[in-house]
Amino acid sequence: EAGVTQSPTHLIKTRGQQATLRCSPISGHTSVYWYQQALGLGLQFLLWYDEGEERNRGNFPPRFSGRQFPNYSSELNVNALELEDSALYLCASTPGHIGNEQFFGPGTRLTVL
Amino acid sequence: ILNVEQSPQSLHVQEGDSTNFTCSFPSSNFYALHWYRWETAKSPEALFVMTLNGDEKKKGRISATLNTKEGYSYLYIKGSQPEDSATYLCAFITAAGNKLTFGGGTRVLVKP
Repeated sequence: EAGVTQSPTHLIKTRGQQATLRCSPISGHTSVYWYQQALGLGLQFLLWYDEGEERNRGNFPPRFSGRQFPNYSSELNVNALELEDSALYLCASTPGHIGNEQFFGPGTRLTVL
Repeated sequence: ILNVEQSPQSLHVQEGDSTNFTCSFPSSNFYALHWYRWETAKSPEALFVMTLNGDEKKKGRISATLNTKEGYSYLYIKGSQPEDSATYLCAFITAAGNKLTFGGGTRVLVKP
């Protein structure tokens, strides 16, 4: 069974640009979660999508947004990039309820110059 | 903002020794607590999903206990091996079931 996949692996952008990160969940999983791990910090909850709807978001500005497609894959968009957006972005999926264990993808390393 | 604390932040363990560390979380609005192991250059992997006060779970040499009334969980590693070197994360899920908050992690280094 294929695991959670993320693309791209690495992404380099400059300040003010937009970044789009993609995630494909495990087949059969309907929920996708996005997390940010900035240097020296723990995993911070960004967004949760389930059945195409945004269920909750963490304490991040509106320039962090995303969507979930009918096939349950998801995109994370970060507009007006700032230097402090440089981080590892992890995606995870679960078969529905947030209480189920999360299966993580390999992450996208975003560098903002 | 939910406070999920892990201590210590890091620890060095001699191969063969046993160790344990703590995850503290709010004692109210508890739904579940997860433990994950995150090895360098890999993705976090779930170790345990704990939901009931008094839960004890075991996977090989690793075990965990849960006290929801006082808001803490312990993770134990028995007879540590170099392959146990990783960051161990706990994650707290509220009763509303709509948010998962990670602790800062405990980084374990097992020295041969």
